[in-house]
Amino acid sequence: KNQVEQSPQSLIILEGKNCTLQCNYTVSPFSNLRWYKQDTGRGPVSLTIMTFSENTKSNGRYTATLDADTKQSSLHITASQLSDSASYICVVDSNYQLIWGAGTKLIIKP
Amino acid sequence: DTEVTQTPKHLVMGMTNKKSLKCEQHMGHRAMYWYKQKAKKPPELMFVYSYEKLSINESVPSRFSPECPNSSLLNLHLHALQPEDSALYLCASSHTGTGGTEAFFGQGTRLTVV
Repeated sequence: KNQVEQSPQSLIILEGKNCTLQCNYTVSPFSNLRWYKQDTGRGPVSLTIMTFSENTKSNGRYTATLDADTKQSSLHITASQLSDSASYICVVDSNYQLIWGAGTKLIIKP
Repeated sequence: DTEVTQTPKHLVMGMTNKKSLKCEQHMGHRAMYWYKQKAKKPPELMFVYSYEKLSINESVPSRFSPECPNSSLLNLHLHALQPEDSALYLCASSHTGTGGTEAFFGQGTRLTVV
């Protein structure tokens, strides 16, 4: 069964600190892996999209990694800001079908 | 313009009402999507339009009726909804309906059925 699992479910960190969110997937076939940021009650916003051959991709303070062998991805946020408080969702594209993770709720405290 | 615009932002409707949600994009995308998202859950795919034709209907009840008048517009007509249909309804678009293309989401319509 195609699944995307994220950890932790929720995370609270202080402003300015770094954090790493994890995503493990068992999806086949695999087209690409995406990370989205979603503010409460708003639509998801794409952070990165990575294909099988890409190991690392950055978007400002966000850096995503992908290990296609172990089927793991991570999203690292550097020097967190209050505006980073949101849900971060890992999504695996499997031949036209998007398999969504449950998300990690990140709270940044001043 | 990299925006997907949804209207209205909020909607409260009774179970006997008929209403429509609207979605618009001007990025030249030929695939458009409707998703339903309940609180603390990931979005669930409802419909996919590819080149203005309905290509995927994820067994959605007939009280939800999608329409794609042209390549830039997508509507979701609502009729005789139930309170459990209250959710955030998201529209998205991508270049094509095939895998690997980036999807852009609108800000959503918060629907409450009373």
